[in-house]
Formats: sequence, C-alpha cells, structure tokens
Amino acid sequence: QQPVQSPQAVILREGEDAVINCSSSKALYSVHWYRQKHGEAPVFLMILLKGGEQKGHEKISASFNEKKQQSSLYLTASQLSYSGTYFCGERAGNKLTFGGGTRVLVKP
Amino acid sequence: EAGVAQSPRYKIIEKRQSVAFWCNPISGHATLYWYQQILGQGPKLLIQFQNNGVVDDSQLPKDRFSAERLKGVDSTLKIQPAKLEDSAVYLCASSLGYEETQYFGPGTRLLVL
Repeated sequence: QQPVQSPQAVILREGEDAVINCSSSKALYSVHWYRQKHGEAPVFLMILLKGGEQKGHEKISASFNEKKQQSSLYLTASQLSYSGTYFCGERAGNKLTFGGGTRVLVKP
Repeated sequence: EAGVAQSPRYKIIEKRQSVAFWCNPISGHATLYWYQQILGQGPKLLIQFQNNGVVDDSQLPKDRFSAERLKGVDSTLKIQPAKLEDSAVYLCASSLGYEETQYFGPGTRLLVL
C-alpha cells in the first residue's frame, strides 16, 4: 500500500505558498521527497527522519510527524522552477514506496 | 561525478516480443533499483539489489520480468514476452546503501503496441 498525497494538483501564482501532504498507514522510519519535471527523472529534495525533524531546500521545507504518520512539504514564495510533480516516498524496512504524486504548476 | 546511465532511452515493440534495458549505476553505489512508472503515477519498485544479491523483488512479475546484476555493478532488466500494460517508463536508481538518497537515471520509455 502506498502513501496518500494531497492535493492531487495545485496551481499557484509566482510568489504564492502551497502545502503538500503525505499520509501513511504504516509506522515510518523516514520520508523522502522528490520532484519530477515532465519527461525527466525524479530529483531528490530531502529526507526526513523520525523525530519531527524539519529540513529545507531553497525555499522548500518539510516536516515529519511520526505519530500522525504524516509528512508535509511547504513551497514558500514559489518560483516558476518549482513546477513539476512532487512525490513522497515512505521507508518502512529496506524499501521505499512512493505516493501517487502532486502536480504543481506555478504561473507567472 | 557521472550519474546513472540507462539505455536505450526509447523503445517501441509489439506485444509478445522481448525487450531488455541496461543500467549503469553511480560508481561505488552498492544498491541498485528498478522502478516502473506508468503515466500519471508514482514510481513502483520492481526489484532492489544490494551488490549482486536481490533484496526485494516482491512486485516483480516473475513470469515475464527478470533482472540481474552480475559482478555487482551494472544491471539488465528483461521483459519476455511483453504485454500492452507494460508500456511505461522504466527507471533505474542507485544509492550508497538502502537508507541513502536514491539517484535516478533518465529512464527508458517503453511503448508496447
């Protein structure tokens, strides 16, 4: 069973903020976030380990609440380059299982 | 540092034919992964190698898919015979260890007619 991401899609104006959520039914060891642009390979953004740790990449940050088995990705002051599909990956054991993705479109 | 290499980049075949994909991971990466990504979905793990041993192949359709990683470096994924539903992008990724960051190759786009 894969993690559930919400929303499925979001459209932003440049400079606006957005939040992408990733929920799991399993006890997680870590959550990984990737971004994939159309026709390209997924690119690693960050890993969050259990402990409620928050990390950042440019103006993209994320949090991980292990009790709620949920992670959130925060796009702050979005840029055109943030457009793409964001995937969370949940690690339970030695396997990474990806969610269905959230499509983000940032317009000028 | 060179990234993950894959070939071919595109492949069109007819159903019931065979096809093979090749992957060369980042030098020194012990863990290698093959994912299938159907249009509009997230990558689905097919098989995971640690050096030349299989760690997980629970989602690999073993009646038609096979993979090997001889000598613990590059890897080949084969489909024989192909079905229409195998049309997808096949992504190879590698990491230093299974808990480490995965780096993806450009993928092979397969179309089965």
